[in-house]
Amino acid sequence: AQSVTQLDSQVPVFEEAPVELRCNYSSSVSVYLFWYVQYPNQGLQLLLKYLSGSTLVKGINGFEAEFNKSQTSFHLRKPSVHISDTAEYFCAVTDSGSARQLTFGSGTQLTVLP
Amino acid sequence: DTGVSQNPRHKITKRGQNVTFRCDPISEHNRLYWYRQTLGQGPEFLTYFQNEAQLEKSRLLSDRFSAERPKGSFSTLEIQRTEQGDSAMYLCASTTGELFFGEGSRLTVL
Repeated sequence: AQSVTQLDSQVPVFEEAPVELRCNYSSSVSVYLFWYVQYPNQGLQLLLKYLSGSTLVKGINGFEAEFNKSQTSFHLRKPSVHISDTAEYFCAVTDSGSARQLTFGSGTQLTVLP
Repeated sequence: DTGVSQNPRHKITKRGQNVTFRCDPISEHNRLYWYRQTLGQGPEFLTYFQNEAQLEKSRLLSDRFSAERPKGSFSTLEIQRTEQGDSAMYLCASTTGELFFGEGSRLTVL
């Protein structure tokens, strides 16, 4: 079984500042890792995913994440945030042999301040 | 709109009543998932279908919950004798690879 820990429940940041949202996972097998974004009263939208290959993954809206196997982390970063990035962000993991049954973290609320 | 569609978007019911949610997946997607999301938490897996076959159920899915996917197309999630603890957002997702989520059905049990 896998588990995901998102270390920060809320992250306030000023517009145009950089941001990092932290995610650590636990698994005894090889994993796939995902970041999703959820805007109020909407479903989840995939930002980016790590399946294999390069450990630096680029996604939509200028976000990127780095898979670090030794630290079991998959932190999400953006060099300059916009007001429109205000949303809830979820890290998720699945074992690479599963039918993509995802285990989600508890989420990080990113609030971008003017 | 060819995304995942869920109905109703909101449902308010009294404790003890039955409710049913419907999910229409993206047409060519053979796998369909149901998740539950409570306030301040990430989604939790409930069950998934490969075509019409229900292949896995979480222990969160008590006997009061039943899900179906007749003919491998749309799916329904029924909750019988609702309890206040059932209040949550119920999310449906479909995939042939990447998961696409619907906007969810929010249940409030009074």
